Amino acid sequence: SQELEQSPQSLIVQEGKNLTINCTSSKTLYGLYWYKQKYGEGLIFLMMLQKGGEEKSHEKITAKLDEKKQQSSLHITASQPSHAGIYLCGADGSGAGSYQLTFGKGTKLSVIP
Amino acid sequence: GAGVSQTPSNKVTEKGKYVELRCDPISGHTALYWYRQSLGQGPEFLIYFQGTGAADDSGLPNDRFFAVRPEGSVSTLKIQRTERGDSAVYLCASSYRRQGRGELFFGEGSRLTVL
Repeated sequence: SQELEQSPQSLIVQEGKNLTINCTSSKTLYGLYWYKQKYGEGLIFLMMLQKGGEEKSHEKITAKLDEKKQQSSLHITASQPSHAGIYLCGADGSGAGSYQLTFGKGTKLSVIP
Repeated sequence: GAGVSQTPSNKVTEKGKYVELRCDPISGHTALYWYRQSLGQGPEFLIYFQGTGAADDSGLPNDRFFAVRPEGSVSTLKIQRTERGDSAVYLCASSYRRQGRGELFFGEGSRLTVL
């Protein structure tokens, strides 16, 4: 079965600083999803990556999928308190548009004003 | 429009009791998913519906867990003879088409506590 390891487990940054969260898969990634979760709320979709080398950006968040399709990174530029939360990567490991996403344990981000 | 709605938001029950958790997906979404999230963990897949039928229930942990979606819209997750280990947040998600070609829209979850 596929496993996703996220690093770091938690992160505390000063407002305005940049940061990177990594997601490493034990198998080839056919689809990699980034979600954000706040306490008491559901998961909010951020981005989906499918092709090796693909990079997507939304506002100040950029996600990349490496060429070998086994690792993804999420980069936040000039962090703000609104970025605080738990970031989860989820993977479709079957290559068939699987409905079973495997998730990492998440990275907890705190942003200090 | 309304998002995925889950009720109750919180449920406290005693060991051995029966529990039902309800999910109302986004209108028009044919695919519906149940995930379970334990403290400090990522969500784990339980079951997937395409329309009224359970297309994949391989994530259900045992036969105490059962889910239905009789009219292809609202779904109910049923847990019999609850155990303390069932305590978790149960997340429902829906999508317009099968996952992998689009995003999943998640509800806020039902937090189940078994005493």
